Amino acid sequence: EVQLVESGGGVVQPGGSLRLSCAASGFTFDDYAMHWVRQAPGKGLEWVSLISGDGGSTYYADSVKGRFTISRDNSKNSLYLQMNSLRTEDTALYYCAKDKTGTSYFDYWGQGTLVTVSS
Amino acid sequence: DIQMTQSPSSVSASVGDRVTITCRASQGISSWLAWYQQKPGKAPKLLIYAASSLQSGVPSRFSGSGSGTDFTLTISSLQPEDFATYYCQQANSFPPLTFGGGTKVEIK
Repeated sequence: EVQLVESGGGVVQPGGSLRLSCAASGFTFDDYAMHWVRQAPGKGLEWVSLISGDGGSTYYADSVKGRFTISRDNSKNSLYLQMNSLRTEDTALYYCAKDKTGTSYFDYWGQGTLVTVSS
Repeated sequence: DIQMTQSPSSVSASVGDRVTITCRASQGISSWLAWYQQKPGKAPKLLIYAASSLQSGVPSRFSGSGSGTDFTLTISSLQPEDFATYYCQQANSFPPLTFGGGTKVEIK
């Protein structure tokens, strides 16, 4: 059974940093690209970032480029999102999601971890 | 960026009704479209991918159609567990991958 479990969310002041983690199990982790998708309270879904299975390729939404860094450790079956220079508009529930075999669809999602940026 | 526009933003329907949700892309995306269902407090769930392919385990009352710029999600006979918010997502080009604004299916 595929499981994705996010952690690392919390309350941070504007300009601060946070590192999110996603622990994956139930599939061969390094065979699949992985994504971060976020959802602001009461709002829709926004794709944040993508990393290839081997970690060699990464992509970002313009809204986070230069501030967020996606990475993975395939030896630990883990995905990460380093978030720097956080803004109030980054407040959201952050989901990690598994890529459906190179399609850029999201076939499994974690339960999300909440990031609140507030002074 | 490819913009995805869903309509309606909300729909009221009764159990047993046929419900249709549309999604329009700002430029052609071939069949690179997915539909997701999200219930309150839960993560989204993939229903349809490649515009019309049913994800494993999804009931056959859900179907998708369309290609190019215009797409449709149809629920043939609405069940109580189908009351949720539905999102379309294009996977034709990135970055960024983009979602529609969502359609809330509510009880009439």
